[in-house]
Amino acid sequence: DTGVSQDPRHKITKRGQNVTFRCDPISEHNRLYWYRQTLGQGPEFLTYFQNEAQLEKSRLLSDRFSAERPKGSFSTLEIQRTEQGDSAMYLCASSLPVGASRGEQYFGPGTRLTVT
Amino acid sequence: SQKIEQNSEALNIQEGKTATLTCNYTNYSPAYLQWYRQDPGRGPVFLLLIRENEKEKRKERLKVTFDTTLKQSLFHITASQPADSATYLCSYSGNTPLVFGKGTRLSVIA
Repeated sequence: DTGVSQDPRHKITKRGQNVTFRCDPISEHNRLYWYRQTLGQGPEFLTYFQNEAQLEKSRLLSDRFSAERPKGSFSTLEIQRTEQGDSAMYLCASSLPVGASRGEQYFGPGTRLTVT
Repeated sequence: SQKIEQNSEALNIQEGKTATLTCNYTNYSPAYLQWYRQDPGRGPVFLLLIRENEKEKRKERLKVTFDTTLKQSLFHITASQPADSATYLCSYSGNTPLVFGKGTRLSVIA
C-alpha cells in the first residue's frame, strides 16, 4: 500500500522563477488537497479537487498560484514568478469521498520550497 | 469565520505521565474535530476523529473528548513516552476542507 507521494521533496529556486510540484494521491482516493505550511503554523488550505473538478480555489494565495488535476489522478501545483514569501512547505493530502469516510486526510511528506 | 485555537505552543511532561492538549473553537460547532500528529519535516498523520454528538473517543493510549458547551476538545496521551514527542494539530471539518490550529509541540522527557 503506497501512501501519498510528492515530488520533489526539496526545491531551491531564484526569485522570479516558476516552480511546479507534483502530488500522487492514494489510488482509491478521489479527493485531493493542497496546503501550505510555514514555520510554527498549522497547514493552511489552498485548494482541493474531487476527481478532476477543482471545487475550491478562492483560497489560493494569489493569481500566481494555480493547480490542476487533469485526469483525476495526480495533481500539480504551480507558482509563477516566485517571491521570497513563497518559501514554505507545500503539503498534499488525499481522502475518500464524503460518505465513505468522515473526512480524515492522508498527507504526503511535503515539498520544501526555498526562494532565494 | 470559524477559528481553531490551540493555546499552548509547547508542553513538556515527564515520561509516564498523561499529556493533555487543548483545542478551542469559535462560533458554531463543527461536525467533526480531528487530531493529527506531525513530526519535524514530515506531513501530518491522522490520529483520531470525534463527532459533535460524541463525548469521547479512544484509541490505544489516546483519548479525545468533545465538549460543545465549552467549545473545546481535549486530547490525552496516557503513559506518555519519549516517542510521543511531536507537534499535535487540531482541526475541524464539516462540509469544508480542514482548518488547522497552530499545533502544540509536546516534549516527553525521560
